[in-house]
Amino acid sequence: EVQLVQSGGGSVQPGGSLRMSCATSEFRFSDYWMTWVRQAPGKGLEWVANINKDGSEKHYVDSVKGRFTIYRDNAKNSLHLQMNSLRVEDTALYYCARYVAMDVWGQGTPVTVSS
Amino acid sequence: DVQVTQSPSSLSASVGDRVTITCRASQDIRSDLGWYQQKPGKVPKRLISAASSLQSGVPSRFSGSGSGTEFTLTISSLQPEDLATYYCLQYNTYPITFGQGTRLEIK
Repeated sequence: EVQLVQSGGGSVQPGGSLRMSCATSEFRFSDYWMTWVRQAPGKGLEWVANINKDGSEKHYVDSVKGRFTIYRDNAKNSLHLQMNSLRVEDTALYYCARYVAMDVWGQGTPVTVSS
Repeated sequence: DVQVTQSPSSLSASVGDRVTITCRASQDIRSDLGWYQQKPGKVPKRLISAASSLQSGVPSRFSGSGSGTEFTLTISSLQPEDLATYYCLQYNTYPITFGQGTRLEIK
């Protein structure tokens, strides 16, 4: 079964920074767009960002533009989300997913932004 | 932005019932829609892509239909393990958007 393994995240005060990562060794990583999705506590799913196969094209939801950066390292089969200027409303469980249409998901990594 | 309106927001049905969930897009998204199941405390799982293509391993009681602006997820005979929240997702236009979710309860 194809797996995505997430790491990073954690707790931070408003204005702080965190980085999350997502890795796999079970498919040809460089052949796929990759996506980040989040889910605030008790809420629905929200698409956050995605990145094309070689990292040259990136898209973000408006609420994170200028604060979050998605990037990838195809040599290490890894995807990352650098989150700066974090806000309380960024508190959520963050998932990485394969492909624009999200066929495989990571296990989720919690991010808590609180003073 | 493409608005995706999912209905109902919740429903309760009995084992064996036929269940239908609908998503309406605010503009034509062709067949660029998927359906996801999220069981309580679990990671979302894709059931259907391209509006009607069943993911490998997903029971055949699940089916999807529609194109353009109106889409449907149908469970032909509800099973106890189908207790979950279901989401549609449009990936035709940025920003990519999920429906608000349908919480399915078993009577």
